[in-house]
Amino acid sequence: EILMTQSPATLSVSPGERATLSCRASQNIYSSVAWYQQKPGQAPRLLIYGASTRATGVPARFSGSGSGTDFTLTISSLQSEDFAVYSCQQYHDWLITFGQGTRLEIK
Amino acid sequence: QMQLRQSGPGLVKPSETLSLICTVAGGSISSSSYYWGWIRQSPGKGLEWIGSVYYRGTTYYNPSLKSRVTVSADTSRNQFSLKLISVTAADTAVYYCARHRGAAFDPWGQGTLVAVSS
Repeated sequence: EILMTQSPATLSVSPGERATLSCRASQNIYSSVAWYQQKPGQAPRLLIYGASTRATGVPARFSGSGSGTDFTLTISSLQSEDFAVYSCQQYHDWLITFGQGTRLEIK
Repeated sequence: QMQLRQSGPGLVKPSETLSLICTVAGGSISSSSYYWGWIRQSPGKGLEWIGSVYYRGTTYYNPSLKSRVTVSADTSRNQFSLKLISVTAADTAVYYCARHRGAAFDPWGQGTLVAVSS
């Protein structure tokens, strides 16, 4: 099983500031990574796929980067609606796993 | 715009079978390139992929659940389904259906909270 380790578990950031969330894979997964946003009581929402491609309708302040084992989700200027839980997910040879999530909270 | 609508019981007794259906609206499950999958989220925990099906019947499962899971597609009803046998309290979770291609699940169903309890 490929483990996806997200850090930090909780990130406190002020509105308007930049947030950087990390995800590390236990082995090389090339660019097969997606990022999701989840708010309480809602299904996850796809933000980024292929490590760096924004999904349809996702604001440009969200960006993804990385390849191999280290991946980053950056939110350039936090809006109030961005405070949520963010999860990374990998796909490698039909062994799909998710990270445990990073809770982004208002500082 | 595609929507996935889930249906099924919210309470299942231990040792029985959990069954959920996902109905696809605004698109066809017979579309090439896409798989149709199930994901669950235990209370306060992360997301866990359960399994996926292609409309022609090809399936892939999480190895940790493979012995208890069946995911199938019904193209005539534009639905796909999940069956999980011999459930225990550890299977209590919110279950989601979703369309996916590679590492991209989108869109998702609304989620169904399934509690395993006598």
